[in-house]
Amino acid sequence: NAGVTQTPKFQVLKTGQSMTLQCAQDMNHNSMYWYRQDPGMGLRLIYYSASEGTTDKGEVPNGYNVSRLNKREFSLRLESAAPSQTSVYFCATQGTGGLPGEQFFGPGTRLTVL
Amino acid sequence: AQSVTQLDSHVSVSEGTPVLLRCNYSSSYSPSLFWYVQHPNKGLQLLLKYTSAATLVKGINGFEAEFKKSETSFHLTKPSAHMSDAAEYFCVVSDDRSSNTGKLIFGQGTTLQVKP
Repeated sequence: NAGVTQTPKFQVLKTGQSMTLQCAQDMNHNSMYWYRQDPGMGLRLIYYSASEGTTDKGEVPNGYNVSRLNKREFSLRLESAAPSQTSVYFCATQGTGGLPGEQFFGPGTRLTVL
Repeated sequence: AQSVTQLDSHVSVSEGTPVLLRCNYSSSYSPSLFWYVQHPNKGLQLLLKYTSAATLVKGINGFEAEFKKSETSFHLTKPSAHMSDAAEYFCVVSDDRSSNTGKLIFGQGTTLQVKP
């Protein structure tokens, strides 16, 4: 039972390159989230998916796209990376059986854009 | 709109002494409040949660938090710090207490340093 997994763990990109961050969960949760974490700013929501087939923007969606491929997988894509997107990215899930707001986090992807 | 403010960006204590991490919230209704902990280079883990069932909430590893509506506070405490408590702590409010798709709003984080 792996919980929430993210790949890759680390990535270095050059400005303008594209990449996709992968997130998968085996918790059978409906809701999935992508956050970015920057020093002194806590976590900020990029996009979320309340259920398979739906996605919505969060607080900082610009420069990102997402795909909810199925119930298990939620990917985050950077089409043209910029240095401002250097951050640590976390995927999280939330189930219907638990308390609203109780989320489970993956280990994070550390992205550097040069 | 809901928001949280963590009053200290950095707290340093000696091992064996009490811990106090302060959090104030703003909400238009009785909120769901959480404390999450993040150890170095790790993901976040739920420490405890307030749901209105009791104002004093007990969490993992000996941490507690007290919901005080009159002060709009949800401070995190522990009677005796351990070296393993060194981490970053986030006070969090859910923007929708009735929905399992509610979004979390994070405070800026407090780094807890524990000195031997």
